[in-house]
Amino acid sequence: EAGVAQSPRYKIIEKRQSVAFWCNPISGHATLYWYQQILGQGPKLLIQFQNNGVVDDSQLPKDRFSAERLKGVDSTLKIQPAKLEDSAVYLCASSWGGGPFEQYFGPGTRLTVT
Amino acid sequence: SQQGEEDPQALSIQEGENATMNCSYKTSINNLQWYRQNSGRGLVHLILIRSNEREKHSGRLRVTLDTSKKSSSLLITASRAADTASYFCATDGPGGSNYKLTFGKGTLLTVNP
Repeated sequence: EAGVAQSPRYKIIEKRQSVAFWCNPISGHATLYWYQQILGQGPKLLIQFQNNGVVDDSQLPKDRFSAERLKGVDSTLKIQPAKLEDSAVYLCASSWGGGPFEQYFGPGTRLTVT
Repeated sequence: SQQGEEDPQALSIQEGENATMNCSYKTSINNLQWYRQNSGRGLVHLILIRSNEREKHSGRLRVTLDTSKKSSSLLITASRAADTASYFCATDGPGGSNYKLTFGKGTLLTVNP
């Protein structure tokens, strides 16, 4: 079974630029998550999709972050404009449904904002 | 905000020894999960324990949950160098239907060969 795919793996941008991350979840997984993990901390949930609807985006900085999940499969996370404090690893995860299922994580995108 | 707090922040042991990590949380939960993260395999689910369970086993892993003390522990027996990683507890709840996970800051475990 193929795992969660993410791209790019690394990205370096200057502050005020924009960036987009892409995620392809495990086939058949209805729920998709985007997390932000700052160095030395645990992942923090940014947004959770159930199929192509948003279940929770309470911790998403909506003035600069946006995310979509087209057709309930792939998802993109965008930051515009980026700030220095956005430097982090962005993790995508998926699970079978919205219940207490284990989440499968992708390798992440390491973003450096200079 | 982070719900779980792992203790200790860092732990260094010799191969073959047991490792115990603890997680405390503030509000009532539905479920608690443990994850491992290393550079090779990323973040991987280890075990899930529900709020009405007290203990679960999976291979060399043993997890306990004490909801009265709002705490959980992860025991790794007969550790191996490959167990070197950061270990996170993640909780969902209270209430709600989306089972949103809140992760702690993690325990960095180093197993020396």
